[in-house]
Amino acid sequence: GESVGLHLPTLSVQEGDNSIINCAYSNSASDYFIWYKQESGKGPQFIIDIRSNMDKRQGQRVTVLLNKTVKHLSLQIAATQPGDSAVYFCAENNRGGKLIFGQGTELSVKP
Amino acid sequence: GAGVSQSPRYKVAKRGQDVALRCDPISGHVSLFWYQQALGQGPEFLTYFQNEAQLDKSGLPSDRFFAERPEGSVSTLKIQRTQQEDSAVYLCASSLAGRWSSQETQYFGPGTRLLVL
Repeated sequence: GESVGLHLPTLSVQEGDNSIINCAYSNSASDYFIWYKQESGKGPQFIIDIRSNMDKRQGQRVTVLLNKTVKHLSLQIAATQPGDSAVYFCAENNRGGKLIFGQGTELSVKP
Repeated sequence: GAGVSQSPRYKVAKRGQDVALRCDPISGHVSLFWYQQALGQGPEFLTYFQNEAQLDKSGLPSDRFFAERPEGSVSTLKIQRTQQEDSAVYLCASSLAGRWSSQETQYFGPGTRLLVL
């Protein structure tokens, strides 16, 4: 069936380092992908999105890369800060409107 | 406020009780979604509204789950005869677009944490 999964459940980085969070998806028909950040006790917060006609998109300190050939998505966070500590989810919109989420990666930033 | 709001934030119910969870979407947003998030998992789709019309309820786990959005704004998710497996965070999201296959961003509320004892 359809699935969106993450390669690593936890990631620990030093403050100031760059972080890379990876995600694999299985539905080649998906045309829209989103990264969400979720802090404890809060709802998912939109970070950045990318459409399937793009390979890369940059935001403030974040970059999303999309490799449709291998159905892989990644989120890069530059100069990671303690406030970046959270669970990060990739989500896939397969033309049906509803989002399909992966399990999530917990990012821990060490000061 | 400008964001999606949900109430109550926490709900404890005894097994067999009925509960009602409320969602206030962002003003003007046409689409509204409900998701269920189990501990340590990503959110899972429950149902979708475009204005007052419920266009997809394929994710509702049983006929004990019912959602409505009678005036196309506020939505209520009702769970009848709650079971322990219903314990989860229930998230509401809204988006501006009214097209089912749209690529519009969904904005989430803080969720309602339901614990069924």
